[in-house]
Amino acid sequence: DTEVTQTPKHLVMGMTNKKSLKCEQHMGHRAMYWYKQKAKKPPELMFVYSYEKLSINESVPSRFSPECPNSSLLNLHLHALQPEDSALYLCASSQVAGWRETQYFGPGTRLLVL
Amino acid sequence: SQQGEEDPQALSIQEGENATMNCSYKTSINNLQWYRQNSGRGLVHLILIRSNEREKHSGRLRVTLDTSKKSSSLLITASRAADTASYFCATGQIDMRFGAGTRLTVKP
Repeated sequence: DTEVTQTPKHLVMGMTNKKSLKCEQHMGHRAMYWYKQKAKKPPELMFVYSYEKLSINESVPSRFSPECPNSSLLNLHLHALQPEDSALYLCASSQVAGWRETQYFGPGTRLLVL
Repeated sequence: SQQGEEDPQALSIQEGENATMNCSYKTSINNLQWYRQNSGRGLVHLILIRSNEREKHSGRLRVTLDTSKKSSSLLITASRAADTASYFCATGQIDMRFGAGTRLTVKP
């Protein structure tokens, strides 16, 4: 199984809502990542988890709250988002976090904030 | 933040032609990777080239790396309509950075 799954595929939320994005992999990978991608732009790294511990937070606003409850699962909790947060949110995983590693991406969650 | 620039930003070719995309980066690297993305979906890893390698092949893909110029190129030979996608180079260790990307359109 070389798949990273993400749910939901699409999400529309108001600025006062609380929602969560979910990412799952069963490849035994110990590094997981969240990226944000705006239209016609490259993905931008948000967070990196290594062995279920947050190792990189790219100065992401606190309205985005990541969580890694176990080695297979990664969540991104959303609260009080702004319309400019509308984007494609991509999850990825790799065997471990490091420069030799290929990252496997999920299909993304397309988020619209109204 | 982006690692560097890719050119061209957009490329349109006919099926059967070759497509060449270039990537420049700013910092020293251990390796450089190329990814493909179809229609704003997930990225698919294509090829990784290490800093001590100059050229690497995988099927119809050929990647070159020139660390003195901090640049890489991806050549797709005998392109197909299914190759239509955005192509990104990426560098970095734990914190991978993507180039701006090239949007390739292959017309049947």
